[in-house]
Formats: sequence, C-alpha cells, structure tokens
Amino acid sequence: KAGVTQTPRYLIKTRGQQVTLSCSPISGHRSVSWYQQTPGQGLQFLFEYFSETQRNKGNFPGRFSGRQFSNSRSEMNVSTLELGDSALYLCASADTGSDTQYFGPGTRLTVL
Amino acid sequence: GQQLNQSPQSMFIQEGEDVSMNCTSSSIFNTWLWYKQDPGEGPVLLIALYKAGELTSNGRLTAQFGITRKDSFLNISASIPSDVGIYFCAGQSTVDRGSTLGRLYFGRGTQLTVWP
Repeated sequence: KAGVTQTPRYLIKTRGQQVTLSCSPISGHRSVSWYQQTPGQGLQFLFEYFSETQRNKGNFPGRFSGRQFSNSRSEMNVSTLELGDSALYLCASADTGSDTQYFGPGTRLTVL
Repeated sequence: GQQLNQSPQSMFIQEGEDVSMNCTSSSIFNTWLWYKQDPGEGPVLLIALYKAGELTSNGRLTAQFGITRKDSFLNISASIPSDVGIYFCAGQSTVDRGSTLGRLYFGRGTQLTVWP
C-alpha cells in the first residue's frame, strides 16, 4: 500500500496570506490527524477527522481549520499567516479503531 | 494536557554500542508508540505497544510498555550509523479516551548520534 502523501512538500508565503495543505491517507484509513512541528514546541496536535467529521481539536486559534472529503483525503487551511506559523505540518492516518498513526513526509511552510 | 517526559535529550555513542531511552507520562496511556524522524521527513513508526507489560522487538529495536502504564522505553542494540536521527515516543491517554480520539501526545525527542 502507498503511504500517506502530502502536497506540497515546501511552501513559502508572506504574512497575511492564507495557505491550504493537502493530505491523502493510506488506502482504507478513515482517520486523518494533523500536527504542527516546530523546534520550540515540538509536535503539537491540531485536529483529527474521521468520516468527514472533526472529532477532536487541539489548542490552536481559529485561523487553523481543516476538512475531510468523502474519499478520506483531508485539507488544512491557515488564514492570515503569521511568522510563527512557520513549521513542518504533518498529516497522519490511522485505521478505524486503531491508535497507531502513520505519518506523511510533511509540508514545510515558511512564512516571510 | 498530558505531559510526556522523554530522556535523554541527546546521545552520542560509538557504533556497536547499545542505546536506551525512555518516556514517562503524568497519566495512564492506552498505547505507546515509538517513531524515528530523519531531517525534513515525517516520523516513521518503529514499534507500537498496546498492553501494559508488553515487550516487543523489531530487529535490533526492543520496546516495553511499562506496567504502571505511565512509561515506556526503547532499546537499540549494536547501533549502526543509519540509526542516527531523532526518536520520539508518543501515546494515547486513557483519560482522554472517547473525547480526544486520534490525539497523540509526543515527547520532545532523543537526538541520537552514532560515531563510526
């Protein structure tokens, strides 16, 4: 099976812009989670989707949002970008009922 | 939120040596996972643990789910240069089960350097 894929791999934006990141889970996985990784804060949970519904959300401002489509692919959106949003954004998928998450390669977002 | 303390923060060892790192949490976990991350890449799953006391191996790697369900350790035997990277522990908390499905808590990582 193909692994989790994320696009784009790299992105450069300026403050105030918005960005959309995409994630395709492992075939058959319906749970998709998003994490932000920074040197200062480590890996922080953003949100988790299952069957097109957001089941859980971390402590991030409303500028961070996401959605999941019927084919389990997911997108996350960050509006009004700030310098501090520069990070590696990781997507992970899990099989139904499993806690074991498999990560994609991430999208490196740089905000200038 | 749940706090995961991972130690050591970094290790510098010689090729062939054994390595041990551990994680402790402030609350009980259902699941412990160990990942390895290379620069610029996503974490790769090494070992998954689902029961207290469980001891699982994956080649030269061995991990255990602590009987208190608040800790886990990872051992790497006979290290080789390609073991270099950052190792993360992660867990799913029982306290949050049902309300925070899908949420993993992560340690801050152990940076491993292997010298030939």
